[in-house]
Amino acid sequence: EIVMTQSPATLSVSPGERATLSCRASQIVSSNLAWYQQRPGQAPRLLIYGVSTRATGIPARFSGSGSETEFTLTISSLQSEDFAVYYCQQYNNWLPWTFGQGTRVEIK
Amino acid sequence: QVQLQESGPGLVKPSQTLSLTCNVSNDSISSGDFYWSWIRQPAGKGLDWIGRVYTDGTTNYNPSLKSRVTISVDTSKNQFSLELRSVTAADTAVYYCAASLVGAHPMSSWGQGALVTVSS
Repeated sequence: EIVMTQSPATLSVSPGERATLSCRASQIVSSNLAWYQQRPGQAPRLLIYGVSTRATGIPARFSGSGSETEFTLTISSLQSEDFAVYYCQQYNNWLPWTFGQGTRVEIK
Repeated sequence: QVQLQESGPGLVKPSQTLSLTCNVSNDSISSGDFYWSWIRQPAGKGLDWIGRVYTDGTTNYNPSLKSRVTISVDTSKNQFSLELRSVTAADTAVYYCAASLVGAHPMSSWGQGALVTVSS
């Protein structure tokens, strides 16, 4: 099983500032890496797939980067609706699919 | 975009079987375009992929639950189902169904989730 490790567990950021979230895979996942946003009481929502492609309707302030085992989600200027928990997930052909433990982005 | 909705009992007794159904709309399960997955999330914790089913009934399961899980598809009702046997309190969670395009694609559509509590 590929283990996904996210850091930090919690990120305190002021509105309008940049947030940088990290995700590390225990094995190479190629470009099969996605990021999801989960607001309280809601289902996860796909933000980024293929490392850096934004899903439909996702604002340009969200960007993804990285390769092989090291990945980053950047939120360029945090809006109030962006305070949530973010999960990375590998969807390699090597099952099972696995998620990171999540990074909570909270208001500083 | 495909839409998903979970349904099933919200309370299950220990040692019994948890059963949930996911109703699919805006697409036909028979189209063969998607894998249909189940994911769960205990309160305050992260996401755990349970397994998936394809149109033809082919399944893949997380080894951590494989001995207790069955995921099946009913094309006539355009829905797929989850059975988890011999449940304990540790199986208490919000259960989500989700869809991903066939191939190496993420889960792009999710149901709203169904809370299942295991308690006597």
